[in-house]
Amino acid sequence: GQQLNQSPQSMFIQEGEDVSMNCTSSSIFNTWLWYKQEPGEGPVLLIALYKAGELTSNGRLTAQFGITRKDSFLNISASIPSDVGIYFCAGPTDSWGKLQFGAGTQVVVTP
Amino acid sequence: GAVVSQHPSRVICKSGTSVKIECRSLDFQATTMFWYRQFPKQSLMLMATSNEGSKATYEQGVEKDKFLINHASLTLSTLTVTSAHPEDSSFYICSARPDGTQYFGPGTRLLVL
Repeated sequence: GQQLNQSPQSMFIQEGEDVSMNCTSSSIFNTWLWYKQEPGEGPVLLIALYKAGELTSNGRLTAQFGITRKDSFLNISASIPSDVGIYFCAGPTDSWGKLQFGAGTQVVVTP
Repeated sequence: GAVVSQHPSRVICKSGTSVKIECRSLDFQATTMFWYRQFPKQSLMLMATSNEGSKATYEQGVEKDKFLINHASLTLSTLTVTSAHPEDSSFYICSARPDGTQYFGPGTRLLVL
């Protein structure tokens, strides 16, 4: 089946720094999703990408859908303490909405 | 965005007992809901797809007789962990996709002693 490889596994950064993470897949996805999960909570959708090459922003977040449709990246600019959490990429594996998740990137922001 | 709730938020039970987790769509109807499981420091793994009015479909390796799913109405799906054991301790999360976007519930932390 499709596998999503997400990196890095974790990042420890200082407040104000930019953060970048990416996901690659062994096969093509038609949609890329980026979620954030805080401790003890369910994932919350940050950005959805539907078209190869698409670059989408949501505040300080920017994500791109790779041209090959096998990769995507998420950038967080000027990080703040509330950016702490685990960020997951995900892609649907069928038309009904079943999602395959990446392993997650844990982001820790220090003041 | 759409709101999905779960109840309870956390539950502790003795080994051998059964636990029921509810997933509700609060402001939309959902013919399909999804149940995920997340072990500590791991990603979400899809367990099953819950279908209103019909049987759930389970992912490979998930025991349907152990994880009973009932989707009796368009706003409620339940997951029952039968004869729970310590290895079933996990974070169970449901989701639904009312408009093409998948929304997740807040999760249920299950601890089996």
